[in-house]
Amino acid sequence: ETGVTQSPTHLIKTRGQQVTLRCSSQSGHNTVSWYQQALGQGPQFIFQYYREEENGRGNFPPRFSGLQFPNYSSELNVNALELDDSALYLCASSRDRGRTEAFFGQGTRLTVV
Amino acid sequence: AQSVTQLGSHVSVSEGALVLLRCNYSSSVPPYLFWYVQYPNQGLQLLLKYTTGATLVKGINGFEAEFKKSETSFHLTKPSAHMSDAAEYFCAVSSSGGYNKLIFGAGTRLAVHP
Repeated sequence: ETGVTQSPTHLIKTRGQQVTLRCSSQSGHNTVSWYQQALGQGPQFIFQYYREEENGRGNFPPRFSGLQFPNYSSELNVNALELDDSALYLCASSRDRGRTEAFFGQGTRLTVV
Repeated sequence: AQSVTQLGSHVSVSEGALVLLRCNYSSSVPPYLFWYVQYPNQGLQLLLKYTTGATLVKGINGFEAEFKKSETSFHLTKPSAHMSDAAEYFCAVSSSGGYNKLIFGAGTRLAVHP
C-alpha cells in the first residue's frame, strides 16, 4: 500500500506567478484535503475534494483552486502568488469525506520571492 | 465552532523523563481528536486518535492520550522520553461540517536532552 506522495518537494516562484502542486492519494482513499502550514504555525485547511468535487473550503481566497482526478489524485493551483503564500503545503488523503483519520504527505515547500 | 489550544509552544525534558503535552479543545459536537507528530522538513504522522469509546487511547512509539470531557482536554503523555521523540507535536479536532476538516493547534516543540 503506497502512502500519500507530493511533488515537487521544493520550489521557488516569483511574486505574481502561478504554481501547481500535485498529490497522489493513498490507495483506497477517495478524499483529498490541502493544508497550508506557515513557518511556526499549525496547518490551516484550504479545501477538500471528494470524488472530484470540492466539498469544503477554508478561509482562503479564490486564487487558491484545486482539482481531483478520477484516480483521486489532486492538484492545488495558486494564482497571482504573494510573498505570504510562502509555506509548506500539505496534502492529506482519507477513506471518506467524513470525520475519519487523514494521512499526510511529506509536503511541498513553496518559497515566493 | 471548533478550536484547539496547545499550552506551551516549547517543552524540554530529560531523556527518560515523563513527557506531557497539553491540549484543550472546544467543540459544539462530540469531538474527534488527533495527535500528529512532525519531524523537521517532513509531513505529519498520526500518533493516535480518539473518536468514541475508551477514553484512554494508545498510539505509536509509546504515546498515549486521555480524553477528558469535563476538562475538554486531550493531553499527550509518554512515560519515558527518548532522544528520537524530539519533534513538533500537533493536536487537532475534526470539524462537524460534513467534511474532513482538521483544526490544528499551534503546535508544541519537544526538546529531549541527555
